Amino acid sequence: SALTQPASVSGSPGQSITISCTGTSSDVGSYNLVSWYQQHPGEAPKLMIYEGSKRPSGISNRFSGSKSGNTASLTISGLQAEDEADYYCCSYAGSTTFEVFGGGTKLTVL
Amino acid sequence: EVQLLESGGGLVQPGGSLRLSCAASGFTFRSYGMSWVRQAPGEGLEWVSAVSGSGAGTYYADSVKGRFTISRDNSENTLYLQMNSLRVEDTAVYYCAKRGCSGFSCSMDYWGQGTLVTVSS
Repeated sequence: SALTQPASVSGSPGQSITISCTGTSSDVGSYNLVSWYQQHPGEAPKLMIYEGSKRPSGISNRFSGSKSGNTASLTISGLQAEDEADYYCCSYAGSTTFEVFGGGTKLTVL
Repeated sequence: EVQLLESGGGLVQPGGSLRLSCAASGFTFRSYGMSWVRQAPGEGLEWVSAVSGSGAGTYYADSVKGRFTISRDNSENTLYLQMNSLRVEDTAVYYCAKRGCSGFSCSMDYWGQGTLVTVSS
């Protein structure tokens, strides 16, 4: 089954927001392999966080990830207009299911 | 610079076949796993398939198992997705993605721009 994300979140410039991603003990809870992707309209997804909390080179430290039990979270601090996008979480889910995405969260910067 | 360029998308009738290609450059292709991910119009991302760097290991989503085949040509730095028995619900933009390791225990760190597959009569 797909991971559960809120359909939308919003925040004002400079504020912080957190997007949750709830899975099960078969995916998020069992592996430290949650990644987060940002997608602007009409563009390809972009990796923002991998292995739960690591940032690829070039990704702002305003983006951070964490996990507690079966729920992973993406926090964006110091919101900027360019952060407005869709965000997807993804988790490895073992050799049977392999990989599952969340349904996506639309972030609106007010 | 990592580049992934998909091709082969188009309009196909239900029950038809299509082969997608993804030309890779800017990295040692054979050393990394690769995946296909799709996105139906207005919908979220759906993982479709993955292949290890050597090509020996492959995985498929239940929704495409038995109909789609992932493969790679490491001499040509190209990833493929053979899609048979296509259904209307396979309509989507198909993205090629590089994985961050040779196997599967890692994220998809680079993505192509996608190719649109439309299944319709």
